[in-house]
Amino acid sequence: QKEVEQNSGPLSVPEGAIASLNCTYSDRVSQSFFWYRQYSGKSPELIMSIYSNGDKEDGRFTAQLNKASQYVSLLIRDSQPSDSATYLCAVKVGRDDKIIFGKGTRLHILP
Amino acid sequence: DAMVIQNPRYQVTQFGKPVTLSCSQTLNHNVMYWYQQKSSQAPKLLFHYYDKDFNNEADTPDNFQSRRPNTSFCFLDIRSPGLGDAAMYLCATSGHSLDRGKFAYEQYFGPGTRLTVT
Repeated sequence: QKEVEQNSGPLSVPEGAIASLNCTYSDRVSQSFFWYRQYSGKSPELIMSIYSNGDKEDGRFTAQLNKASQYVSLLIRDSQPSDSATYLCAVKVGRDDKIIFGKGTRLHILP
Repeated sequence: DAMVIQNPRYQVTQFGKPVTLSCSQTLNHNVMYWYQQKSSQAPKLLFHYYDKDFNNEADTPDNFQSRRPNTSFCFLDIRSPGLGDAAMYLCATSGHSLDRGKFAYEQYFGPGTRLTVT
């Protein structure tokens, strides 16, 4: 069973601090990794994709991938109250056209 | 703007009364997906189409069916909704990325349809 694991939280972070969200996956041959943000009652919104080991930065967001450890993370710098949401980690598995989602981590930015 | 559109945004149906949810996209993506998401759970893939090729997940109940008459549209039919089918239904698409010059697996979601079964 191919799995994507996330801590469900809630993760509480003071405004202006760095929020760190983590994800592990079981399928060693996975090549594509995604972070989605989902506000309550809304649909998931893609915020980052990463395909190579190392860091990828986009504005306040940095995705980090370590394929040897089967670990992907998302850092949010200068956290804002509007960043409060559930963050879903997703991994493309095998040769299928589909991705597997983790259950998400609830992030709460404290004003 | 290119997008994924779902209609209706909210649907109320009676127990056992068939219902159809629709999805359209202007992204010209060749893959379309239907997910079911219940509160505090991950989206659960029901089925997906690669062009016209239909791919059913093994644990998708027979009560759920789908149609994709053309590239732009996809429908989810629930033949006899039960109380347990109340959920958010999400449509997503993926396709080739001009940036990367090859198929990109990023999925873009529509706003979802919230289904209530009474």
